[in-house]
Amino acid sequence: LAKITQPISMDSYEGQEVNITCSHNNIATNDYITWYQQFPSQGPRFIIQGYKTKVTNEVASLFIPADRKSSTLSLPRVSLSDTAVYYCLVGPPPRSNYQLIWGAGTKLIIKP
Amino acid sequence: EAQVTQNPRYLITVTGKKLTVTCSQNMNHEYMSWYRQDPGLGLRQIYYSMNVEVTDKGDVPEGYKVSRKEKRNFPLILESPSPNQTSLYFCASTSGEETQYFGPGTRLLVL
Repeated sequence: LAKITQPISMDSYEGQEVNITCSHNNIATNDYITWYQQFPSQGPRFIIQGYKTKVTNEVASLFIPADRKSSTLSLPRVSLSDTAVYYCLVGPPPRSNYQLIWGAGTKLIIKP
Repeated sequence: EAQVTQNPRYLITVTGKKLTVTCSQNMNHEYMSWYRQDPGLGLRQIYYSMNVEVTDKGDVPEGYKVSRKEKRNFPLILESPSPNQTSLYFCASTSGEETQYFGPGTRLLVL
């Protein structure tokens, strides 16, 4: 099973681009990489998912190098409301054994 | 409204007293999971279910049971709770696009 490492915390300022990197050295061939956002007293919320190269949606981009041993979540022009914990998740799609491994989370604090 | 509901939201109990946390989803998803969340450890998967009557262990299944008798419900059962099961519990339901939708959480304290 993949072991996941991500920074415990990060600080940034409003309007900046924030990049959070996740390390997953033992990622399996059929594993996807997913990022979730969690606010206090709420369940995690899906941000983005990818398998390789680059994925972009309306809130974030996900960069995955060719060896797939790491991935970087990029949040463009953050605001105070982006202060949250961000989790990196590695695992197969639900159609297989579906055992999922979560990172411990990165607490992102955005300052004015 | 598409949602995952959990009950109760808060529970204080004593060691050894059986309890059940219910989870229900209205999105007709096949895949459901239970997680516990502890400070510094992130989320750890307890059990998951790929369909009705199909369940399997996650990372930390010891002390827990689940059942999946119908697609919408996936209760978590603690037959004999212990203080080390004090935690925040989340139920999740997964769409065909593999996005997990989480419930609001159940905060459990075992004395």
